[in-house]
Amino acid sequence: QVLLVQSGAEVKIPGSSVKVSCKPSGGAFTTYAINWVRQAPGQGLEWMGRIIPFLGVSDYAHKFRGKVTFTADKSTTTAFMDLSSLRSEDTALYFCARQFYDVLTGPKDDPFDIWGQGTMVTVSS
Amino acid sequence: QSVLTQSPSASGAPGQRVTMSCSGTNSNIGSNTVNWYQQLPETAPKLLISSNVHRPSGVPDRFSGSKSGTSASLVISNLQSEDEADYYCATWDDSLNGVVFGGGTKLTVL
Repeated sequence: QVLLVQSGAEVKIPGSSVKVSCKPSGGAFTTYAINWVRQAPGQGLEWMGRIIPFLGVSDYAHKFRGKVTFTADKSTTTAFMDLSSLRSEDTALYFCARQFYDVLTGPKDDPFDIWGQGTMVTVSS
Repeated sequence: QSVLTQSPSASGAPGQRVTMSCSGTNSNIGSNTVNWYQQLPETAPKLLISSNVHRPSGVPDRFSGSKSGTSASLVISNLQSEDEADYYCATWDDSLNGVVFGGGTKLTVL
């Protein structure tokens, strides 16, 4: 069974950046996207965007454009989320999630079938 | 404020049936399929229902999903204590060009 393994918890000061990794436990990048979802303490799930690692193509939710950057390293089959200009409001649990999709239509309402364990990012001075 | 609307809470006794709803618009639920996720306390979300009605392997048949127009529903039959969790609906929004989630329903098993 494939797992998505994320990097460990981070504590950052306001204004700094954080990079979270997400690595499938087995297999190369194929026709799936890696989505990133944020969950603030006690709150619901919020989609941040996605990257198709095989193509290196990313899409960002409007709210996060300019704030987050997704990248992927095909040689290590690892996806990354880079969050910049951190503020206290960015304190949250960040999940990556796999999404297979139809290559003719691109990823849309296809389900997130596997999720990483989550990475807690705490922003505090 | 979430794009998809879910009731914040639901409850039921063991063995009972619970229905959770997810309301959207023509640009999201009305045009795309709905997925449901279960998030047990202190864990990552787990796919529960895909494409409105499909249960992934390993999901008990006590869980069922449906969609009509711009609304979707999740039904849990024969409620079990281990079903106590948060439930989220999600789909694609053609206007926002992104995935949208409901605010989540917290299920309490009495």
